[in-house]
Amino acid sequence: DGGITQSPKYLFRKEGQNVTLSCEQNLNHDAMYWYRQDPGQGLRLIYYSQIVNDFQKGDIAEGYSVSREKKESFPLTVTSAQKNPTAFYLCASSIVVHEQFFGPGTRLTVL
Amino acid sequence: AQSVSQHNHHVILSEAASLELGCNYSYGGTVNLFWYVQYPGQHLQLLLKYFSGDPLVKGIKGFEAEFIKSKFSFNLRKPSVQWSDTAEYFCAVRKNNNAGNMLTFGGGTRLMVKP
Repeated sequence: DGGITQSPKYLFRKEGQNVTLSCEQNLNHDAMYWYRQDPGQGLRLIYYSQIVNDFQKGDIAEGYSVSREKKESFPLTVTSAQKNPTAFYLCASSIVVHEQFFGPGTRLTVL
Repeated sequence: AQSVSQHNHHVILSEAASLELGCNYSYGGTVNLFWYVQYPGQHLQLLLKYFSGDPLVKGIKGFEAEFIKSKFSFNLRKPSVQWSDTAEYFCAVRKNNNAGNMLTFGGGTRLMVKP
């Protein structure tokens, strides 16, 4: 059963804490992406990676960090420097220059 | 910077009504265009896409979209909506000259179909 999994589904964080969101895919896609979804703003790109051990900042990378040590995995860390982290986070993957496939998302709430 | 505009944030229709959701983008070069749908509690999934060729593209579940290059538009249409079409719809644009596959998304349109 191929696809993209994200965990956890819901995550609560205290102010000042770093948290890491997991994204795993078994589609053998080279490229992976992290988006943030806020009401009325659509999806905004945080980071993307076209190949293992390489990643690039998207439009709203400040306060976030990523790693790409394996093709299947692209974890996102929301750091304490992110001023407004409460949002719905979506991970996606693709064969480069083809359509992106999305995971189910993680809803992060800062308490 | 490239932007994608979806004019209607919320749309309410009765079943069997016709649907047209607007999407305009600001990039002047060659683009690839997408419509994604997010049903309540489900993954974002692709409805249809335009890369080249016939500007009228047909997608899943009876949806279609027309690319009008002169108007920088890619409006989504369905002749007769069903209650199950209740969802949020996102237009996305990919510039055809970038080295990666980055999409720029519109703000989304929430469609509610009344039974």
